[in-house]
Amino acid sequence: DTGVSQNPRHKITKRGQNVTFRCDPISEHNRLYWYRQTLGQGPEFLTYFQNEAQLEKSRLLSDRFSAERPKGSFSTLEIQRTEQGDSAMYLCASSPLRPALYNEQFFGPGTRLTVL
Amino acid sequence: ELKVEQNPLFLSMQEGKNYTIYCNYSTTSDRLYWYRQDPGKSLESLFVLLSNGAVKQEGRLMASLDTKARLSTLHITAAVHDLSATYFCAVAYGGATNKLIFGTGTLLAVQP
Repeated sequence: DTGVSQNPRHKITKRGQNVTFRCDPISEHNRLYWYRQTLGQGPEFLTYFQNEAQLEKSRLLSDRFSAERPKGSFSTLEIQRTEQGDSAMYLCASSPLRPALYNEQFFGPGTRLTVL
Repeated sequence: ELKVEQNPLFLSMQEGKNYTIYCNYSTTSDRLYWYRQDPGKSLESLFVLLSNGAVKQEGRLMASLDTKARLSTLHITAAVHDLSATYFCAVAYGGATNKLIFGTGTLLAVQP
């Protein structure tokens, strides 16, 4: 399977714990995005990487959130001191930098986080 | 700030009927996307629309774009149960970042 993969698929944690999610984009896709989707809503943009550089972060990404893409391949999203409001589906998407005509983003299966 | 609105939010249809989902957005954009999401699943890309008057069709679904009106439509022809899902439109925003701003989605339920 050469699509976007995410791990774990489900995570249940207690409030105050730290969690880390991983995203493996489609090979050779330079662009990588993280989105968050809560129940009954559309996904909301969190952050964007072009290769290893984090070029944009949403205001939704509080200080408790950090994302990395150390070698321009896989990415991690860490949430520290989780809160119940962090419960959501975290989606990763990737797209190629060239050609840029469509800039189509391909989404992974998501990680569903439940904070108790 | 770009806002994307979809209507209706919920659509219950009978098999064989036609209907249209509307997507309005508030700021000029280069690209508009339609995605499908099944319950508990991720997003599947359906269409990418680039220019004014663009129309794309795949099976029973047809998408169009009117950039002057800032309106896109997703038309469903002769609905079948397999089309039951949530449909999202998304608008590209932020220049080189090309982040997507999503609508709230339309939950489509096709009844036999």
